[in-house]
Amino acid sequence: DIQMTQSPSTLSASVGDRVTITCRASETITNWLAWYQQKPGKAPQLLIYKASSLESGVPSRFSGSGSGTEFTLTISGLQPDDFATYFCQNYNRFPYSFGQGTRLEIK
Amino acid sequence: EVQLLESGGGLGQPGGSLRLSCAASGFTFGSYGMTWVRQAPGKGLEWVSTISGSSSFTYYADSVKGRFTISRDNSKNTLSLQMNSLTADDTAVYYCAKVERGGGGYFDYWGQGTLVTVSS
Repeated sequence: DIQMTQSPSTLSASVGDRVTITCRASETITNWLAWYQQKPGKAPQLLIYKASSLESGVPSRFSGSGSGTEFTLTISGLQPDDFATYFCQNYNRFPYSFGQGTRLEIK
Repeated sequence: EVQLLESGGGLGQPGGSLRLSCAASGFTFGSYGMTWVRQAPGKGLEWVSTISGSSSFTYYADSVKGRFTISRDNSKNTLSLQMNSLTADDTAVYYCAKVERGGGGYFDYWGQGTLVTVSS
């Protein structure tokens, strides 16, 4: 099974900052990777699919990159609404797997 | 507008059963795979099961294989998860989600979740 490892687990930043979250797969998943944002008490929301494709309606300050085993989610110019938890997900093959999550908190 | 509404959560007994449902609307239900993802209190997301649009294929996490059964009724736009032999580790919010295509893929729409608590 493919293991997904996110880093860091917690990230402290300020409004306006540029932040990067990393997700590593235990084996190559080509570019079959998605990123989700989750706010407390709410369902996750899709941000990025196929490693770098922005979901419709998601602000352009979110971007994804990477292929193979290493991927990044970058948020350029943090907004107050962006403080949440972020998860990566492998959908290369079953069983699918999620990273453990990165909590983005206000510094 | 895509809408997914889960129901059926609640308190289950260890060793007992619960059946979750997800009512879908706003898209051609039978053309898309559907999935269940769960989240234990204070924990991360765990993929549970996926079913293809035609029900030809089903996939399960090892943690639920042999105990949970995913199914769908395309005539009623409904997804189900039959949960048997429940344990405390099954306590979680269960989300249904739409898969972006007929088989596997990422999850583009999610329901609001239903809480399952397994306790005596």
